[in-house]
Amino acid sequence: NAGVTQTPKFRILKIGQSMTLQCTQDMNHNYMYWYRQDPGMGLKLIYYSVGAGITDKGEVPNGYNVSRSTTEDFPLRLELAAPSQTSVYFCASSPPGLIYEQYFGPGTRLTVT
Amino acid sequence: DQQVKQNSPSLSVQEGRISILNCDYTNSMFDYFLWYKKYPAEGPTFLISISSIKDKNEDGRFTVFLNKSAKHLSLHIVPSQPGDSAVYFCAAEAPPGNTPLVFGKGTRLSVIA
Repeated sequence: NAGVTQTPKFRILKIGQSMTLQCTQDMNHNYMYWYRQDPGMGLKLIYYSVGAGITDKGEVPNGYNVSRSTTEDFPLRLELAAPSQTSVYFCASSPPGLIYEQYFGPGTRLTVT
Repeated sequence: DQQVKQNSPSLSVQEGRISILNCDYTNSMFDYFLWYKKYPAEGPTFLISISSIKDKNEDGRFTVFLNKSAKHLSLHIVPSQPGDSAVYFCAAEAPPGNTPLVFGKGTRLSVIA
């Protein structure tokens, strides 16, 4: 069981570039989430999904897009990267009935310069 | 406005002693609380939780206490071990049950041998 995997681990983007952060889980979890963590701050929810085909905005969705075509995958798209999007991004998933006990991936450290 | 507050950014404790990590919240609708633990370069991992209908939950060396009237919860680790050195995040959830978690900023615990 790999759990939640994220790629890439690190990435440097130039301002205005775009990229997709990949997230895959093999636990058949319905719920999936994208968070960002800025230095000295807690986790802020960007987007979440309660199942394939269903996504919803979190606290800080601006500048990001998501899709959920399968149960396993939940990619996060950054369009027109800005320095304010420099952060560590975590993907997480949780099973129905235990939606608060989220399983996190190892994170992607993104720097926008 | 921060709904979940961890006012101590860091805490140092001697090995074998008790570690007490605190968390305050402002939203009286929160009805489920969790603690996550995070090591450097890894994603957070679920540690322990408590429902608002309880005032204590224990799991081995870890105990979470909830004081609803004070809107305060605490995590006790007894005895503390060097491997407990990590950042601890408090999180809370409000009904109806599929709303996202709200995280605090975290407290960095250092257990000194």
